[in-house]
Amino acid sequence: SAVISQKPSRDICQRGTSLTIQCQVDSQVTMMFWYRQQPGQSLTLIATANQGSEATYESGFVIDKFPISRPNLTFSTLTVSNMSPEDSSIYLCSVVAGFNEQFFGPGTRLTVL
Amino acid sequence: RKEVEQDPGPFNVPEGATVAFNCTYSNSASQSFFWYRQDCRKEPKLLMSVYSSGNEDGRFTAQLNRASQYISLLIRDSKLSDSATYLCVVGIGGKLVFGAGTILRVKS
Repeated sequence: SAVISQKPSRDICQRGTSLTIQCQVDSQVTMMFWYRQQPGQSLTLIATANQGSEATYESGFVIDKFPISRPNLTFSTLTVSNMSPEDSSIYLCSVVAGFNEQFFGPGTRLTVL
Repeated sequence: RKEVEQDPGPFNVPEGATVAFNCTYSNSASQSFFWYRQDCRKEPKLLMSVYSSGNEDGRFTAQLNRASQYISLLIRDSKLSDSATYLCVVGIGGKLVFGAGTILRVKS
């Protein structure tokens, strides 16, 4: 299994500012992902964080809005840039470990005023 | 049409009841299938994988019907601790696509 921590666990931010979320895994993993879960909705994949290269973004998500870093196999950051109230959501880091099982971090609950 | 569709519920059942959740998926190229459980304000956790032959884990039975593109989860002898949101998840091209979840509330 994989133990994942995220910081911050929650934040309240002003419109127009940016927030960087950190994800730390207790073991080296190849596959690391960032998801968003808006209230009452399913998880939506934002991007795959690739170690040593640019992240791969899903349709509807762009690097300028959600820049991602993956400096090594245990750490990644997601930045939510120029925030608006529509960005209020839970942001979850996820990794594939073990027997191809996908594990999730505890999430970062973001509220944008 | 959503890629993965579930009845949102809530399903309100008494302790000891048997409850079944269904899920349909739209992409016939889907390769892997899972049920995840998500407790309130917590991250999703894998409950079980779903195989074509069907599989059982204690009180939980999952089945897959590829022809109908349909997945089910059966919970027998429901416990209060089973109360959660159950997410139907489909793997396509190395990525997971999540349903919106079905809420289960087990009451004494």
